[in-house]
Amino acid sequence: KQEVTQIPAALSVPEGENLVLNCSFTDSAIYNLQWFRQDPGKGLTSLLLIQSSQREQTSGRLNASLDKSSGRSTLYIAASQPGDSATYLCAVEPRGQNFVFGPGTRLSVLP
Amino acid sequence: GAVVSQHPSWVICKSGTSVKIECRSLDFQATTMFWYRQFPKQSLMLMATSNEGSKATYEQGVEKDKFLINHASLTLSTLTVTSAHPEDSSFYICSARLGAYEQYFGPGTRLTVT
Repeated sequence: KQEVTQIPAALSVPEGENLVLNCSFTDSAIYNLQWFRQDPGKGLTSLLLIQSSQREQTSGRLNASLDKSSGRSTLYIAASQPGDSATYLCAVEPRGQNFVFGPGTRLSVLP
Repeated sequence: GAVVSQHPSWVICKSGTSVKIECRSLDFQATTMFWYRQFPKQSLMLMATSNEGSKATYEQGVEKDKFLINHASLTLSTLTVTSAHPEDSSFYICSARLGAYEQYFGPGTRLTVT
């Protein structure tokens, strides 16, 4: 059974810092991995999707990497801003199936 | 990009009543939709997989008679919470699969049972 963990559970940083969020999964047979952002009481916003054949994806200040063999992904946020404060969810998708979500990392960026 | 909507966005109901939540893929056809539940400060947990024209597949521990799922068309799946109780209060999110590769999430429905 696929399990997804995220470290740290919570993170508080001053504005402007670069930061890394970590995601680990137990079964490397995934089709893709996706990072989402969730604001309190809101739905999911897709940030980056990495297909199994890819090693990283970039969008603006965000960069996500994927190492399937070790079951790890990282989300790098450059020059963090208070507007980045949210919960970041990592999710893996086995082939043709539903997403399996991690517990999330709650990020607070202090002005 | 593809859009998935949910209705209502929030609902308050009394214990013992039933509530229906709709999930629609607005600009694409989805043969498969998924229903997730999220309790406060917890992550999303899959409840069931909904396939158009067939019975839904429920995850272990999810009562199929309590959470009725109907996927009557390629753009609509509904989740009905029957005889709702306060412990059913949660955030319900659906997703719809586009082809074999992409999946899009709805904005969620917050259910509060009093």
